Amino acid sequence: GENVEQHPSTLSVQEGDSAVIKCTYSDSASNYFPWYKQELGKRPQLIIDIRSNVGEKKDQRIAVTLNKTAKHFSLHITETQPEDSAVYFCAPRGWAGSYQLTFGKGTKLSVIP
Amino acid sequence: NAGVTQTPKFQVLKTGQSMTLQCAQDMNHNSMYWYRQDPGMGLRLIYYSASEGTTDKGEVPNGYNVSRLNKREFSLRLESAAPSQTSVYFCASSWGETQYFGPGTRLLVL
Repeated sequence: GENVEQHPSTLSVQEGDSAVIKCTYSDSASNYFPWYKQELGKRPQLIIDIRSNVGEKKDQRIAVTLNKTAKHFSLHITETQPEDSAVYFCAPRGWAGSYQLTFGKGTKLSVIP
Repeated sequence: NAGVTQTPKFQVLKTGQSMTLQCAQDMNHNSMYWYRQDPGMGLRLIYYSASEGTTDKGEVPNGYNVSRLNKREFSLRLESAAPSQTSVYFCASSWGETQYFGPGTRLLVL
Protein backbone atom coordinates (compact mmCIF):
# COMPACT_ATOMS: atom_id res chain seq x y z
CA GLY A 1 0.00 0.00 0.00
CA GLU A 2 0.84 3.66 -0.15
CA ASN A 3 3.15 5.06 2.55
CA VAL A 4 2.49 8.71 3.26
CA GLU A 5 4.51 11.02 5.47
CA GLN A 6 3.78 14.63 6.33
CA HIS A 7 6.21 17.15 7.74
CA PRO A 8 6.20 18.96 10.03
CA SER A 9 3.67 17.47 12.43
CA THR A 10 3.17 20.87 14.08
CA LEU A 11 3.84 24.36 12.76
CA SER A 12 3.46 27.74 14.42
CA VAL A 13 3.67 30.95 12.39
CA GLN A 14 3.01 34.60 13.02
CA GLU A 15 -0.04 36.06 11.35
CA GLY A 16 0.90 37.30 7.90
CA ASP A 17 3.80 34.87 7.48
CA SER A 18 3.82 31.93 5.06
CA ALA A 19 3.44 28.25 5.94
CA VAL A 20 4.62 25.23 3.96
CA ILE A 21 3.67 21.61 4.63
CA LYS A 22 5.31 18.75 2.73
CA CYS A 23 3.85 15.35 1.91
CA THR A 24 5.96 12.43 0.72
CA TYR A 25 4.38 9.35 -0.84
CA SER A 26 5.70 6.00 -1.98
CA ASP A 27 3.52 4.82 -4.88
CA SER A 28 4.88 6.04 -8.21
CA ALA A 29 1.44 5.31 -9.78
CA SER A 30 -0.21 7.98 -7.61
CA ASN A 31 -1.91 10.53 -9.82
CA TYR A 32 -4.17 12.67 -7.63
CA PHE A 33 -2.94 14.79 -4.72
CA PRO A 34 -5.44 16.59 -2.48
CA TRP A 35 -5.10 18.56 0.72
CA TYR A 36 -7.84 18.52 3.35
CA LYS A 37 -8.33 20.99 6.21
CA GLN A 38 -9.93 20.01 9.49
CA GLU A 39 -10.83 22.69 12.01
CA LEU A 40 -11.14 21.69 15.65
CA GLY A 41 -14.20 19.51 16.17
CA LYS A 42 -15.24 19.72 12.52
CA ARG A 43 -15.19 17.45 9.51
CA PRO A 44 -12.29 17.37 6.99
CA GLN A 45 -12.89 19.47 3.89
CA LEU A 46 -11.01 19.58 0.60
CA ILE A 47 -9.17 22.87 0.12
CA ILE A 48 -7.06 22.25 -2.97
CA ASP A 49 -5.96 19.37 -5.18
CA ILE A 50 -3.64 18.74 -8.11
CA ARG A 51 -3.30 16.06 -10.72
CA SER A 52 -0.11 14.47 -11.96
CA ASN A 53 -0.04 16.33 -15.26
CA VAL A 54 0.20 19.70 -13.49
CA GLY A 55 3.15 21.05 -11.48
CA GLU A 56 1.46 23.82 -9.53
CA LYS A 57 -2.02 25.08 -8.75
CA LYS A 58 -3.07 28.25 -6.92
CA ASP A 59 -6.30 29.36 -5.32
CA GLN A 60 -6.02 32.80 -3.72
CA ARG A 61 -3.70 32.41 -0.69
CA ILE A 62 -3.17 28.67 -1.03
CA ALA A 63 -1.14 26.72 -3.57
CA VAL A 64 -0.03 23.16 -4.11
CA THR A 65 3.17 22.13 -5.89
CA LEU A 66 4.00 18.65 -7.10
CA ASN A 67 7.33 16.96 -7.74
CA LYS A 68 6.49 13.56 -9.22
CA THR A 69 10.10 12.59 -9.71
CA ALA A 70 10.87 13.02 -6.03
CA LYS A 71 7.38 11.81 -5.02
CA HIS A 72 6.36 14.71 -2.88
CA PHE A 73 3.87 17.56 -2.96
CA SER A 74 3.53 20.61 -0.77
CA LEU A 75 0.84 22.94 0.52
CA HIS A 76 1.74 26.63 0.60
CA ILE A 77 -0.32 29.17 2.53
CA THR A 78 0.64 32.84 2.18
CA GLU A 79 -0.41 35.79 4.36
CA THR A 80 -1.64 33.44 7.05
CA GLN A 81 -4.66 34.44 9.13
CA PRO A 82 -5.96 33.09 12.46
CA GLU A 83 -8.73 31.20 10.62
CA ASP A 84 -6.03 29.14 8.89
CA SER A 85 -5.34 27.47 12.24
CA ALA A 86 -6.37 23.83 11.73
CA VAL A 87 -5.00 20.38 11.01
CA TYR A 88 -4.06 19.80 7.38
CA PHE A 89 -3.96 16.36 5.78
CA CYS A 90 -2.48 15.24 2.48
CA ALA A 91 -4.23 12.24 0.91
CA PRO A 92 -2.65 10.96 -2.31
CA ARG A 93 -4.58 8.48 -4.41
CA GLY A 94 -2.64 5.36 -5.34
CA TRP A 95 -3.69 4.85 -8.95
CA ALA A 96 -6.29 6.05 -11.43
CA GLY A 97 -9.55 4.25 -10.84
CA SER A 98 -8.75 3.58 -7.20
CA TYR A 99 -11.30 4.84 -4.72
CA GLN A 100 -8.88 4.93 -1.87
CA LEU A 101 -7.16 8.00 -0.53
CA THR A 102 -4.33 7.37 1.94
CA PHE A 103 -4.27 10.14 4.52
CA GLY A 104 -1.13 11.43 6.14
CA LYS A 105 -1.08 11.83 9.91
CA GLY A 106 -1.72 15.54 9.71
CA THR A 107 0.01 18.83 10.40
CA LYS A 108 -1.35 21.08 13.11
CA LEU A 109 -0.94 24.69 12.01
CA SER A 110 -1.24 27.44 14.59
CA VAL A 111 -1.34 31.05 13.40
CA ILE A 112 -0.40 33.43 16.19
CA PRO A 113 -2.13 36.83 16.01
CA ASN B 1 -29.33 19.76 0.66
CA ALA B 2 -28.02 18.18 3.86
CA GLY B 3 -24.91 16.61 2.26
CA VAL B 4 -23.61 13.69 4.35
CA THR B 5 -25.35 13.00 7.66
CA GLN B 6 -24.38 10.62 10.43
CA THR B 7 -26.18 9.26 13.48
CA PRO B 8 -25.61 9.17 16.35
CA LYS B 9 -23.30 12.10 17.14
CA PHE B 10 -21.99 10.48 20.29
CA GLN B 11 -22.28 7.01 21.79
CA VAL B 12 -20.95 5.20 24.86
CA LEU B 13 -20.79 1.41 24.74
CA LYS B 14 -19.65 -1.28 27.12
CA THR B 15 -17.16 -3.86 25.92
CA GLY B 16 -18.98 -6.60 24.02
CA GLN B 17 -22.01 -4.53 23.08
CA SER B 18 -22.99 -4.08 19.46
CA MET B 19 -24.14 -1.04 17.56
CA THR B 20 -24.65 0.31 14.06
CA LEU B 21 -23.47 3.70 12.87
CA GLN B 22 -25.69 5.18 10.20
CA CYS B 23 -24.65 7.34 7.25
CA ALA B 24 -26.74 8.88 4.50
CA GLN B 25 -25.98 11.23 1.60
CA ASP B 26 -28.32 13.19 -0.62
CA MET B 27 -25.82 14.14 -3.35
CA ASN B 28 -26.48 11.09 -5.56
CA HIS B 29 -22.87 9.95 -5.10
CA ASN B 30 -21.89 6.47 -6.16
CA SER B 31 -19.08 5.87 -3.67
CA MET B 32 -19.19 5.90 0.10
CA TYR B 33 -16.54 5.36 2.78
CA TRP B 34 -16.06 4.75 6.49
CA TYR B 35 -12.97 6.12 8.26
CA ARG B 36 -11.81 6.17 11.83
CA GLN B 37 -9.74 9.02 13.25
CA ASP B 38 -7.48 8.54 16.24
CA PRO B 39 -5.16 11.18 17.74
CA GLY B 40 -1.95 11.47 15.74
CA MET B 41 -3.05 8.81 13.23
CA GLY B 42 -4.85 10.77 10.55
CA LEU B 43 -7.87 9.12 8.95
CA ARG B 44 -7.75 5.40 8.27
CA LEU B 45 -10.12 3.72 5.84
CA ILE B 46 -12.21 0.92 7.35
CA TYR B 47 -14.46 -0.07 4.42
CA TYR B 48 -15.67 1.53 1.24
CA SER B 49 -18.39 0.97 -1.31
CA ALA B 50 -17.50 1.93 -4.87
CA SER B 51 -21.12 1.64 -5.96
CA GLU B 52 -24.44 0.32 -4.74
CA GLY B 53 -24.17 -3.43 -4.16
CA THR B 54 -20.40 -3.56 -3.64
CA THR B 55 -18.24 -3.22 -0.54
CA ASP B 56 -14.50 -3.65 -0.03
CA LYS B 57 -12.09 -3.68 2.88
CA GLY B 58 -9.86 -0.76 3.56
CA GLU B 59 -6.80 -0.49 5.76
CA VAL B 60 -8.35 -1.44 9.13
CA PRO B 61 -11.48 -3.62 8.60
CA ASN B 62 -11.09 -6.05 11.51
CA GLY B 63 -13.96 -5.89 14.00
CA TYR B 64 -16.32 -4.10 11.60
CA ASN B 65 -18.96 -4.97 9.03
CA VAL B 66 -20.73 -2.72 6.55
CA SER B 67 -23.93 -2.67 4.56
CA ARG B 68 -24.67 -0.55 1.51
CA LEU B 69 -28.40 -0.47 2.00
CA ASN B 70 -29.11 1.57 -1.14
CA LYS B 71 -27.41 4.35 -3.04
CA ARG B 72 -27.99 6.83 -0.21
CA GLU B 73 -27.14 4.80 2.88
CA PHE B 74 -24.00 3.04 4.12
CA SER B 75 -23.93 1.64 7.64
CA LEU B 76 -21.06 0.45 9.83
CA ARG B 77 -21.64 -2.27 12.42
CA LEU B 78 -19.57 -3.17 15.45
CA GLU B 79 -20.65 -6.68 16.47
CA SER B 80 -18.72 -6.84 19.74
CA ALA B 81 -17.21 -3.51 20.68
CA ALA B 82 -13.72 -3.35 22.17
CA PRO B 83 -11.95 -0.41 23.90
CA SER B 84 -9.56 -0.25 20.90
CA GLN B 85 -12.55 0.86 18.81
CA THR B 86 -12.87 4.07 20.80
CA SER B 87 -12.49 6.67 18.08
CA VAL B 88 -14.20 9.28 15.95
CA TYR B 89 -15.86 7.71 12.91
CA PHE B 90 -16.38 9.66 9.72
CA CYS B 91 -18.49 8.68 6.76
CA ALA B 92 -17.75 10.20 3.37
CA SER B 93 -19.15 10.06 -0.14
CA SER B 94 -17.83 10.95 -3.58
CA TRP B 95 -18.80 11.12 -7.24
CA GLY B 96 -15.36 11.81 -8.69
CA GLU B 97 -12.23 12.30 -6.66
CA THR B 98 -13.43 14.77 -4.02
CA GLN B 99 -14.68 13.15 -0.84
CA TYR B 100 -17.33 14.92 1.23
CA PHE B 101 -17.37 14.06 4.90
CA GLY B 102 -20.13 13.80 7.44
CA PRO B 103 -19.92 15.48 10.86
CA GLY B 104 -18.58 12.37 12.59
CA THR B 105 -19.67 10.02 15.38
CA ARG B 106 -17.66 10.03 18.59
CA LEU B 107 -17.63 6.51 20.07
CA LEU B 108 -16.39 5.61 23.53
CA VAL B 109 -16.07 1.93 24.45
CA LEU B 110 -15.63 1.26 28.16
